[in-house]
This record gives sequence, C-alpha cells and structure tokens, in this order.
Amino acid sequence: QQQVRQSPQSLTVWEGETAILNCSYENSAFDYFPWYQQFPGEGPALLISILSVSDKKEDGRFTIFFNKREKKLSLHIADSQPGDSATYFCAASESGTYQRFGTGTKLQVVP
Amino acid sequence: NSKVIQTPRYLVKGQGQKAKMRCIPEKGHPVVFWYQQNKNNEFKFLINFQNQEVLQQIDMTEKRFSAECPSNSPCSLEIQSSEAGDSALYLCASSRQTNSDYTFGSGTRLLVI
Repeated sequence: QQQVRQSPQSLTVWEGETAILNCSYENSAFDYFPWYQQFPGEGPALLISILSVSDKKEDGRFTIFFNKREKKLSLHIADSQPGDSATYFCAASESGTYQRFGTGTKLQVVP
Repeated sequence: NSKVIQTPRYLVKGQGQKAKMRCIPEKGHPVVFWYQQNKNNEFKFLINFQNQEVLQQIDMTEKRFSAECPSNSPCSLEIQSSEAGDSALYLCASSRQTNSDYTFGSGTRLLVI
C-alpha cells in the first residue's frame, strides 16, 4: 500500500519557469515531510523539509506548500535551471518511525 | 561528497551467494537506516538502528537479510542467499533522530545474476 503518492511521474519545463511537483499522503499521523533530490548514480540528498505545523517553507528558489486538511503538499521550484534536472522524492514520517517515500517525479529543465 | 560512506559501489553475485555491503554513518548521527530502491524508484525500508540497537525491521529482513551496527565499526547489511529479485540499489542513511533529515550515502548497486 503506497502511503505517499507523487505526481506527475515526469515533468518538463523550460529554463526560467516554475516547476510544480505534487505529493499526497494517507496517514494523518505524519508530521514531517522532507523532499529529496536524486541525480543518476547518486543517493538522494535532502533539499527542503517542512513540519505539519507550518503551511509554507521557503529556501531560496524552493518552496513547499502544505495543506494538512487535504493531506497534500507541493514543491515549487522557481526559475528552474538545467542543473535542477533530477528526480525528486517526497517523503513522510511520524515521530519515532522511518520515512515513507513516494516514487518520485523526474524533472527535466530544457534550456 | 556524501558524508555517509557506502562500500562497495557495485556488487555482482550469483543466485544463492552471500552479498555484504557496508556503511559508515555521518559523524554525530546515532540513527542508521537501510532502504532498498528498485528500478521503479520504490523505496523499501529494511531496518534501522539507534546506537547499535535495532529499532524497527520488516519481516523480509528477518529471513534472508541480516544487519548490524557495531560500535566503532561500519554498519553492514548482508543477504544470506541472494535472489534475482534482490537486484536493486541499497541505500544507507543516517540522522540525528528517527524523525529528522536523513543523509544518504551513494548506495551499493547489487546485481544478482
């Protein structure tokens, strides 16, 4: 049973556009939501994270919007660059347990 | 450059053979996790440790998989009798606590032929 779902599976945007990656979850006890970026041949790297007490978190060009009532969140990548081309994973966890991961969104930024 | 060191990067085994991989967690991170990432990008949690003690593990881990995190030595994950379905990227991650940011290693890619 997939507890964390991501959409779209793949996304292509032009350089300079805002990429929007979506994530939803089922377990209302989840309270911590990190996003990871993974390049081919490498392990995932933490990009940005949010706690369920917040509805927005910004870090440079990356912003998480969180809707607890709908159990949805999204990652916005502003001014997308070719170097942002990677697979992005949404994860979720509750206190004391391991993170559950979605199956990722593969982002391609075209110059 | 990952602060979590995984070795080897690649591992090729025949069916039925043992496969062992190692992980050195980031300094100051007492919690270590092992995940299996398959070709469909599905992450399967295997086991986690805190200060050498097992916190959680899945049923699969109890049968053919074994893992340990001894003090002052690398953590390890071993598959006793490899199967074709075990071919995947095995990721080790560490963190300060269970519900916080993970630092992942580059992974060990296992191919069982």
